[in-house]
Amino acid sequence: DQQVKQNSPSLSVQEGRISILNCDYTNSMFDYFLWYKKYPAEGPTFLISISSIKDKNEDGRFTVFLNKSAKHLSLHIVPSQPGDSAVYFCAAHHLGAQKLVFGQGTRLTINP
Amino acid sequence: GAGVSQSPSNKVTEKGKDVELRCDPISGHTALYWYRQSLGQGLEFLIYFQGNSAPDKSGLPSDRFSAERTGGSVSTLTIQRTQQEDSAVYLCASSVRTGGNQPQHFGDGTRLSIL
Repeated sequence: DQQVKQNSPSLSVQEGRISILNCDYTNSMFDYFLWYKKYPAEGPTFLISISSIKDKNEDGRFTVFLNKSAKHLSLHIVPSQPGDSAVYFCAAHHLGAQKLVFGQGTRLTINP
Repeated sequence: GAGVSQSPSNKVTEKGKDVELRCDPISGHTALYWYRQSLGQGLEFLIYFQGNSAPDKSGLPSDRFSAERTGGSVSTLTIQRTQQEDSAVYLCASSVRTGGNQPQHFGDGTRLSIL
């Protein structure tokens, strides 16, 4: 079963506007949530994370929101820039198991 | 500083052959992880090592897969008698230590193709 889901395989946003990427999860044993960005032929690069006891974390243009009751998190990028075009993975850290569980990814395209 | 290094970057081999994939973690990182990404899928956990503790092998898909970490640093992932479904990108990551507040830093992966 898919414990972390990214239901949008792709998203297209105009440069300068806000990009919102969504992620849903099912397991209550996740204690941290992370977002990674991946360019072709490269490994994922860590962007930002949030503890399950928080509801918001901000780092520059990137903000992650966590809604525990809905088991939903989102990544906001504002303003969006052409270099943000990549595949974004949502990941959840399993307390005790120490592994990351990844969603399928969302391909973000920023149009000039 | 140097990031996680994986070799080879690409590997093509015939079905039934054994393959070894190598990972050099970031210096000082005690935790090391292996994942794989099949076409169009997210990353799938395989195994992790933390210091000198016994590895968590719970993600290994079959007994054809094994991994070791020598001297708490370099790790090798071995796949015996490869099958076509083993074709994927194999990614290694390391972190200072385990824990959700310790981001895992990834290498660029080894793209494995089984003919």
